Amino acid sequence: SAVISQKPSRDICQRGTSLTIQCQVDSQVTMMFWYRQQPGQSLTLIATANQGSEATYESGFVIDKFPISRPNLTFSTLTVSNMSPEDSSIYLCSAGGTGELFFGEGSRLTVL
Amino acid sequence: AQSVTQPDIHITVSEGASLELRCNYSYGATPYLFWYVQSPGQGLQLLLKYFSGDTLVQGIKGFEAEFKRSQSSFNLRKPSVHWSDAAEYFCAVGASAGNEKLTFGTGTRLTIIP
Repeated sequence: SAVISQKPSRDICQRGTSLTIQCQVDSQVTMMFWYRQQPGQSLTLIATANQGSEATYESGFVIDKFPISRPNLTFSTLTVSNMSPEDSSIYLCSAGGTGELFFGEGSRLTVL
Repeated sequence: AQSVTQPDIHITVSEGASLELRCNYSYGATPYLFWYVQSPGQGLQLLLKYFSGDTLVQGIKGFEAEFKRSQSSFNLRKPSVHWSDAAEYFCAVGASAGNEKLTFGTGTRLTIIP
């Protein structure tokens, strides 16, 4: 199994600012993903974080708004840029590649 | 494109009663199916998964699920629920075991009453 740590666990942000969320996995993993869970909603995949190359974004998500880095096999960051109240969500990092997808506890962002 | 439908938004069950949560999927090939549980303020924990073989799979916490290809379903069951089972349950479908890019259902919130 993989243990995933995310920082920050929660934050309150001002409109127009940006916030970077860090995700650390305790073992090397093939796949890393970023999901968004809006209040009372299910999980929506934002992008696949690719090691050493640009992330692969799902429809409706763009790099300018959600830049992602993955410098190695155990670490990734997601930045939520120029935030608005509509970005208030839980952002979840996940890791897979062995037949199971593991999740961090999420980063709960509130944008005022 | 793959999709998952969980028709029940909210289910209330008495403690000790049996439980069945419904999940229907849409996928062109053999699906990889998962059930996750999310307790309040927590991340997601895998309950069980189906890749191939026996269509009745056993998971953690006494849960099981049955894959029925003819009905495109993967319903989750537990014979006797405990108050600690109160949580949000998500069904998910993926394309392969080595690339767990999952599509999630909308979730079913389970409430347990004494």
